[in-house]
Parts: sequence; C-alpha cells; structure tokens
Amino acid sequence: NAGVTQTPKFQVLKTGQSMTLQCAQDMNHEYMSWYRQDPGMGLRLIHYSVGAGITDQGEVPNGYNVSRSTTEDFPLRLLSAAPSQTSVYFCASRGNEQFFGPGTRLTVL
Amino acid sequence: SQQGEEDPQALSIQEGENATMNCSYKTSINNLQWYRQNSGRGLVHLILIRSNEREKHSGRLRVTLDTSKKSSSLLITASRAADTASYFCATDPWFGGATNKLIFGTGTLLAVQP
Repeated sequence: NAGVTQTPKFQVLKTGQSMTLQCAQDMNHEYMSWYRQDPGMGLRLIHYSVGAGITDQGEVPNGYNVSRSTTEDFPLRLLSAAPSQTSVYFCASRGNEQFFGPGTRLTVL
Repeated sequence: SQQGEEDPQALSIQEGENATMNCSYKTSINNLQWYRQNSGRGLVHLILIRSNEREKHSGRLRVTLDTSKKSSSLLITASRAADTASYFCATDPWFGGATNKLIFGTGTLLAVQP
C-alpha cells in the first residue's frame, strides 16, 4: 500500500493563479480531509469528505474548493491564490486511525 | 479557534528522562488522539483514547484523559534522541453525534538531547 500520496511536493504560485493539489489514498477509506499548517497555528481543517459525492467545510474553507468523485481521490483547488494561502498542506484519510500524506509546501508570491 | 492547546509549547530534556506534554480542549469529545511530526514531514498517529477511557499505554507512551477537566497528558518514558519531534493532540468533538472534524492543537516541540 502506498498510503496517502500528495502531489506536488513544492509549488510556487503568483497571486491570482489557480492550481489543484492532488491527494490519493489506496486504503479504501471513506473519510478524507485537507489541513493547512502554519507556524504557531497547528493544523487547521479546510474541507473534509465522508464519502464519494459528499464534502463539507472545516474551520478555514474560504478560497478553497474540493470535490470527491471517487473514494480514492480528493483534490483541493485554489481558484485565485493569495499570499495568505502560503502554507504547508496535508491531506489525510481515516479508517480506524488517520493517515497523513507527506504534505505540499505552497508559496504564493 | 483551536480546540486543543498543548503545554508546554517547547520542552528540552536529556536522553533517558521522561517527557510529559499536556493538552486542554474545550468541547465534549468522542475521542482524543496524539500525533508526532518530525521536522518537514507528515503527521504520524501515535495513540487514540476514547472518552470513556482514563488511561492507555502503547510501548513507551502513556496517555491519560480527564474529561471532567477537559485535559489529556502524553508521557514518553526513557526518551531517546529519535523522539525529537513536535507532538500534537487532536480531538474528535461530540455534539450529540460525531462531527467528523478532527481538530488539532498547536503542538509541543520536544527536543531530546543525547
């Protein structure tokens, strides 16, 4: 099992650009989520999904969109990147315990 | 706002000593979990304690939960240099049902000196 995979590992964007952070898991977990981690703030929940076709907002959803067309994939979209979205993004999937991906370090200039 | 707050924010100890980290939270919970994060890496699940449990052990880890005080502690015994990492508590809130929102605290940075 690969577990939870994320791509890309690093990304630099200009303000206003859009991009999609990819996340996939091969554990057949129904629950998947996206977090951002900023210094001194811990991890904050952006969006989550309890199964294909079902998504919901977390603590900090503004500026991000998600969709869940399959059990395996849970992409996170930034429609118009802002410097405030500079962060490290973690995708996670949960069965009996939660597994995290390796993270995507995003810088918005 | 953050559900969990860890204390202390940073802790430095010598190899072989015990390390204790505390977590306080605000709402009723279904369970509380502890995670470790090595620098620049993803989080790794360490242990989960349910709201009806008071203590749980896993190897050198001991977790306690006091739901009346809304607090938990993580004890790492006989620490090793490899235990150097950030440690986070995370709560699975309960509002009359599962919320499916795992909320993380701000973490404790543990440094174990060889």
